[in-house]
Amino acid sequence: GESVGLHLPTLSVQEGDNSIINCAYSNSASDYFIWYKQESGKGPQFIIDIRSNMDKRQGQRVTVLLNKTVKHLSLQIAATQPGDSAVYFCAENMGVSSGSARQLTFGSGTQLTVLP
Amino acid sequence: EAGVTQFPSHSVIEKGQTVTLRCDPISGHDNLYWYRRVMGKEIKFLLHFVKESKQDESGMPNNRFLAERTGGTYSTLKVQPAELEDSGVYFCASSQNYREQYFGPGTRLTVT
Repeated sequence: GESVGLHLPTLSVQEGDNSIINCAYSNSASDYFIWYKQESGKGPQFIIDIRSNMDKRQGQRVTVLLNKTVKHLSLQIAATQPGDSAVYFCAENMGVSSGSARQLTFGSGTQLTVLP
Repeated sequence: EAGVTQFPSHSVIEKGQTVTLRCDPISGHDNLYWYRRVMGKEIKFLLHFVKESKQDESGMPNNRFLAERTGGTYSTLKVQPAELEDSGVYFCASSQNYREQYFGPGTRLTVT
């Protein structure tokens, strides 16, 4: 069936380096993608989103890239800090273009560990 | 603005018992979602309310799960009777529009 998945379950980076977290999706009808950050004991926190009519979107220290040709999504974190250590989930939605609020489909998550 | 709140934060019950989880969405958010994450797996959708109506309950695993949203405000999710495989973290999210869903801290349910 349709699914959203992640290439790697864990990622360790040195403090100050850039992090790249990848996500593959298979539902070509998805038109909205979101990255969430989940810290221990907390719920998923919105980081950044992107609609399917875009291929890049930047936030504060974060950039999301969308490649619809290969159905790939990535989250880039610049100058990774200890506070960035968390599980990162990509999620997809469909029907956003038509204004319908639907359920999110999540990937399995990547544990990012920032090393001192 | 208060965020999404969930109660309790943790619940430990025995197999066969009943548990009721509560979610208070952000005020004014018509859309309310329940999700759960079973150990080591992805977060999965359970159901979606628009105000007091169930818009989509395709993710509910079986009839042991009952969700309600009285008056279109807070929502409850009851599991009766609980089974071991129901253990996990149950998240509630709310949204005002079709985009960003705001998540609560979750309820960690342990069935022994």
